[in-house]
Amino acid sequence: KQEVTQIPAALSVPEGENLVLNCSFTDSAIYNLQWFRQDPGKGLTSLLLIQSSQREQTSGRLNASLDKSSGRSTLYIAASQPGDSATYLCAPLGGAGSYQLTFGKGTKLSVIP
Amino acid sequence: EAGVAQSPRYKIIEKRQSVAFWCNPISGHATLYWYQQILGQGPKLLIQFQNNGVVDDSQLPKDRFSAERLKGVDSTLKIQPAKLEDSAVYLCASSLRLAGNVRNEQFFGPGTRLTVL
Repeated sequence: KQEVTQIPAALSVPEGENLVLNCSFTDSAIYNLQWFRQDPGKGLTSLLLIQSSQREQTSGRLNASLDKSSGRSTLYIAASQPGDSATYLCAPLGGAGSYQLTFGKGTKLSVIP
Repeated sequence: EAGVAQSPRYKIIEKRQSVAFWCNPISGHATLYWYQQILGQGPKLLIQFQNNGVVDDSQLPKDRFSAERLKGVDSTLKIQPAKLEDSAVYLCASSLRLAGNVRNEQFFGPGTRLTVL
């Protein structure tokens, strides 16, 4: 069974700071990994998808890396803004013989103006 | 491009009642998923459809939950009878590609918040 851990569970930073969110997973036989953000009371918004053969993906101020062999991914947010405040979830696709997305509990980010 | 649509957005019922949720995926997306998200947790897959067929329902409590996807487009998820522990957000997602494809990217709807009293 694939298991996903996200550290830290919560993070509070002042506006403008660069930050890193961490994700680890137990089974490295994945197809890809997605990072999502979830605002309170809302659904999930896809931020980045990294295919299993890729090392990183970038979108604007976001950069996600993947080290499949060690079961780790990081999401780097540059020059954080109050609008970045949300819960960030990582989800590898596959592992443990499944075709499922497995989610961690997320990191709740608060960016203080 | 329109996103994944879900209704209703909120539902409050008493235990032992039944409830149904509806989902309309992004146009052209063959794969549709239903997830359950309990407060403070990440979403958990309940069932996955490929067109009309069920690909994975291993985590669906089949004694009370059922789902169907008619004509390979819209889908409904039903709970009958509901229990207190079914209180959660039910999320629908869709993807263009098959689940085992490295470019499979899932897009989520706004969810239905269910409260069972």
